[in-house]
Amino acid sequence: RKEVEQDPGPFNVPEGATVAFNCTYSNSASQSFFWYRQDCRKEPKLLMSVYSSGNEDGRFTAQLNRASQYISLLIRDSKLSDSATYLCVVPSGGSYIPTFGRGTSLIVHP
Amino acid sequence: EAGVTQFPSHSVIEKGQTVTLRCDPISGHDNLYWYRRVMGKEIKFLLHFVKESKQDESGMPNNRFLAERTGGTYSTLKVQPAELEDSGVYFCASSHWTRKDTQYFGPGTRLTVL
Repeated sequence: RKEVEQDPGPFNVPEGATVAFNCTYSNSASQSFFWYRQDCRKEPKLLMSVYSSGNEDGRFTAQLNRASQYISLLIRDSKLSDSATYLCVVPSGGSYIPTFGRGTSLIVHP
Repeated sequence: EAGVTQFPSHSVIEKGQTVTLRCDPISGHDNLYWYRRVMGKEIKFLLHFVKESKQDESGMPNNRFLAERTGGTYSTLKVQPAELEDSGVYFCASSHWTRKDTQYFGPGTRLTVL
């Protein structure tokens, strides 16, 4: 099993839709989790962090399910500008060295 | 506040040549990281500096790669001699010592080895 797995997509949704991505991780000792957003040919930018059960920021909600070892990202009322690749990042133990997923591509169309 | 900067943005070299990439972290960030993304693969960790010291270099592919951070400010990553498989995007990131897990990425250097 890969350390961090994501469905590469693409997820193709209309504006205004709600979309959710999952990310599974193998290291049960991981304590913190992150979603980064990466636009084409740009650097990853931190979107949200998840330390316990979940985190909400406007239209974005991240949730953690420790029992099943996955985190999810929910985007409500999708905008065209949400089109990007969403990277799941799981630091390993106390070193904070992150393991990246390959990313999930989201395309929001008019 | 200025973000993480990297130079050059692009580099095209021939196999066997040497290339040096530079990263300037956010001012005051003790932690500096190098990553690489090879086409079609996920971003992979290369190494981690705390100030001028190498904290973890477990991700460095081989001894053709040399990273330095003299003075604990900017860092360089030298590839010598470059091979075809070294092509990819090299990202640098930095974080404050109080929030190691919150990393800010630079725009990356796209390296092409011909």
